[in-house]
Amino acid sequence: ETGVTQSPTHLIKTRGQQVTLRCSSQSGHNTVSWYQQALGQGPQFIFQYYREEENGRGNFPPRFSGLQFPNYSSELNVNALELDDSALYLCASSSSGQETQYFGPGTRLLVL
Amino acid sequence: GQQLNQSPQSMFIQEGEDVSMNCTSSSIFNTWLWYKQDPGEGPVLLIALYKAGELTSNGRLTAQFGITRKDSFLNISASIPSDVGIYFCAGQPTGANSKLTFGKGITLSVRP
Repeated sequence: ETGVTQSPTHLIKTRGQQVTLRCSSQSGHNTVSWYQQALGQGPQFIFQYYREEENGRGNFPPRFSGLQFPNYSSELNVNALELDDSALYLCASSSSGQETQYFGPGTRLLVL
Repeated sequence: GQQLNQSPQSMFIQEGEDVSMNCTSSSIFNTWLWYKQDPGEGPVLLIALYKAGELTSNGRLTAQFGITRKDSFLNISASIPSDVGIYFCAGQPTGANSKLTFGKGITLSVRP
């Protein structure tokens, strides 16, 4: 069974740029959730995707957007990057009808 | 955003000792989860609790879902050096695939 994978592992961008992060869900999982984890904090929910549609959103501005593909993989896009967007971005997959979410290793984004 | 309350921020114990961590919330959750995160990695699920009053064990780990549904605790017995890491509690409201709300985490250090 393949676990949750994310790419890239690290990324450096400058303020105002755009970034795309990718996530492949665990085998058999059809739901993907994205979280932002700032240094020294717990993960904060960004949004969730199910059946290729957004299925719940946290307190993040519209410049945070996402996609889910027919194979259940997902992308997180962030436009107009700000310094405070520097964080570890975590993807978690789960199966509809089962609450437990399993996390990937994360992508560490640094915005200069 | 809302976070669960975990304290203290750091705990230092001697190898072989038991340690207990609490997590409290002002909101009711229907699922409580405990995760461990090592540096540079995503959170790994330790224990999931689905019913108020439930007591669940996973090896040396024991966790309980509080009767009020507003708290949970995790106990680690006979600690070993590899228990070092950050322990997060997370709550999930009713409904499958709903978002996780995390605490800030407790950093555990184990002295050999």
